[in-house]
Amino acid sequence: NAGVTQTPKFRVLKTGQSMTLLCAQDMNHEYMYWYRQDPGMGLRLIHYSVGEGTTAKGEVPDGYNVSRLKKQNFLLGLESAAPSQTSVYFCASKAGALEQFFGPGTRLTVL
Amino acid sequence: AQSVAQPEDQVNVAEGNPLTVKCTYSVSGNPYLFWYVQYPNRGLQFLLKYITGDNLVKGSYGFEAEFNKSQTSFHLKKPSALVSDSALYFCAVREIWDAGKSTFGDGTTLTVKP
Repeated sequence: NAGVTQTPKFRVLKTGQSMTLLCAQDMNHEYMYWYRQDPGMGLRLIHYSVGEGTTAKGEVPDGYNVSRLKKQNFLLGLESAAPSQTSVYFCASKAGALEQFFGPGTRLTVL
Repeated sequence: AQSVAQPEDQVNVAEGNPLTVKCTYSVSGNPYLFWYVQYPNRGLQFLLKYITGDNLVKGSYGFEAEFNKSQTSFHLKKPSALVSDSALYFCAVREIWDAGKSTFGDGTTLTVKP
């Protein structure tokens, strides 16, 4: 099993550009999450999904959109990137009451 | 609303000494509690969890944590620290009725010196 994978690993954008981050999991997990990690601020939840076709807002959803068209994939979109979105983005998945499995992260820089 | 506090940004210990990384939480009902570890340039890895039952929970790499309901704490401990334990540690909590969201602490950097 590959676990949780994220594409791409690194990306540099200019302000105003758009992009999509892809998260894929092969563990048949119902729940999937997108977090951002910034120095001194821990992990902040952006959006999450409790099942295929469903999404919900987390703590810091502004400027991001998500989709969960297939159970194994969770996409995070930035429609118009801003420097404040420079961060490391982590995807995670879990089954039920159990622990989360994290991907390796995507390091995004917005110039 | 649920919340987690990790009161120490940094913990320094000498190799071979016991270590403690502190975590306190706040939930309206009963909690599920988790510890994760993050090594540089990696994603978080699960260490251990408290769901129910014995208050002392044992996890990966010799770590353990004690759930204390009266003090609303879930401190991470290890009897003898290794240099390789140096990493960023996160505590997380969620309400048992809310399968969706967990709240993470800001993290504690553990440095074990030889």
